[in-house]
Amino acid sequence: GESVGLHLPTLSVQEGDNSIINCAYSNSASDYFIWYKQESGKGPQFIIDIRSNMDKRQGQRVTVLLNKTVKHLSLQIAATQPGDSAVYFCAENPTSNTGKLIFGQGTTLQVKP
Amino acid sequence: EPEVTQTPSHQVTQMGQEVILRCVPISNHLYFYWYRQILGQKVEFLVSFYNNEISEKSEIFDDQFSVERPDGSNFTLKIRSTKLEDSAMYFCAATREGVLYEQYFGPGTRLTVT
Repeated sequence: GESVGLHLPTLSVQEGDNSIINCAYSNSASDYFIWYKQESGKGPQFIIDIRSNMDKRQGQRVTVLLNKTVKHLSLQIAATQPGDSAVYFCAENPTSNTGKLIFGQGTTLQVKP
Repeated sequence: EPEVTQTPSHQVTQMGQEVILRCVPISNHLYFYWYRQILGQKVEFLVSFYNNEISEKSEIFDDQFSVERPDGSNFTLKIRSTKLEDSAMYFCAATREGVLYEQYFGPGTRLTVT
């Protein structure tokens, strides 16, 4: 069935360190994988996406890695800042052309000053 | 920067009552979505809407739910007879052609059914 999940519910890092948030997915037919950030009291905010025919994509301070062999997705945040503290969700788009997103459980990133 | 807005921010209703949640998407966005998030859980897809019709809906989106875009700007979610388990945050999202996965979410409406 459709499912997207995350390995760790909470990740605590020191300010300035790099963060790595992981996600496992089960639907090998999904075409896009996306990371969203949700700050307290707000809706999810798009961070970065990656298409299934890529294995790496870089944005500003963020990198997403896709390993289709083991169905694993990760988000790397360089030089983590206090403003990065939030819940991070991976999401996938299953075989659908409507934009439907299937979200994982979420990892809470806590940045210690 | 344009934002998706939602009203009300918090709605308290009694079981069995009808509620309408409202959203104003960004003006050039044509694809609209409703998601919900039960407290502490993941975000769940409810429905997608394009060209004035539902393009996809989840199992959660049963006959008690409906959506419409009554006036070309507002996008609404109606729950006809609310149940306790409908208590959740409801998020509206929208996006443009060609970037369906880069969805802009509103701040959400917290629905509490008592």
